[in-house]
Amino acid sequence: GDSVTQMEGPVTLSEEAFLTINCTYTATGYPSLFWYVQYPGEGLQLLLKATKADDKGSNKGFEATYRKETTSFHLEKGSVQVSDSAVYFCALRENYGGSQGNLIFGKGTKLSVKP
Amino acid sequence: DTGVSQDPRHKITKRGQNVTFRCDPISEHNRLYWYRQTLGQGPEFLTYFQNEAQLEKSRLLSDRFSAERPKGSFSTLEIQRTEQGDSAMYLCASSLSAGGSNEQYFGPGTRLTVT
Repeated sequence: GDSVTQMEGPVTLSEEAFLTINCTYTATGYPSLFWYVQYPGEGLQLLLKATKADDKGSNKGFEATYRKETTSFHLEKGSVQVSDSAVYFCALRENYGGSQGNLIFGKGTKLSVKP
Repeated sequence: DTGVSQDPRHKITKRGQNVTFRCDPISEHNRLYWYRQTLGQGPEFLTYFQNEAQLEKSRLLSDRFSAERPKGSFSTLEIQRTEQGDSAMYLCASSLSAGGSNEQYFGPGTRLTVT
């Protein structure tokens, strides 16, 4: 079945460091891909998305490119801030006709940014 | 737009008791999803509704679990004869439709602790 694998955490970085969180997926069709973020004590929020191959999603300085050839959707940010400390989830959603539309999540990667 | 709301936010119950959670989706959203998230894991799909019809249930949803969405508005998730393994965060999400760019918006979750 479909699955998402993302790098194990926790990841600890200094402020202004470069961030990469790897995410790869297995899917039967042509899924949409998402990054969700969960700040401490808050609910899941959509960070960015891409709906087809070679699309780049971006938001709040974060970027991820949908790479069909490598089945990847790695999250990057050029300069992290303390306020980016959170748990990041990679997810996919199948789009074929009759699909349930539910999201399939990775296990999450906890990011801690030190001042 | 008040977002997705869930009630209660926290529930502590003794093993063997029944519990019921409520989710109020964003108005005009016709799809409603329930997920379960255990510590250190990503959310896992439980079930979903298209309007008032429950269209799919995950194998994670044992016979002790039941969900309803009367009139296609709010939804309830009931767990009968709770077990310690039911301790988790129960998340609700809603969307306009399954695919395309219609994204799922998550509520803050109900944290269940079974003692």
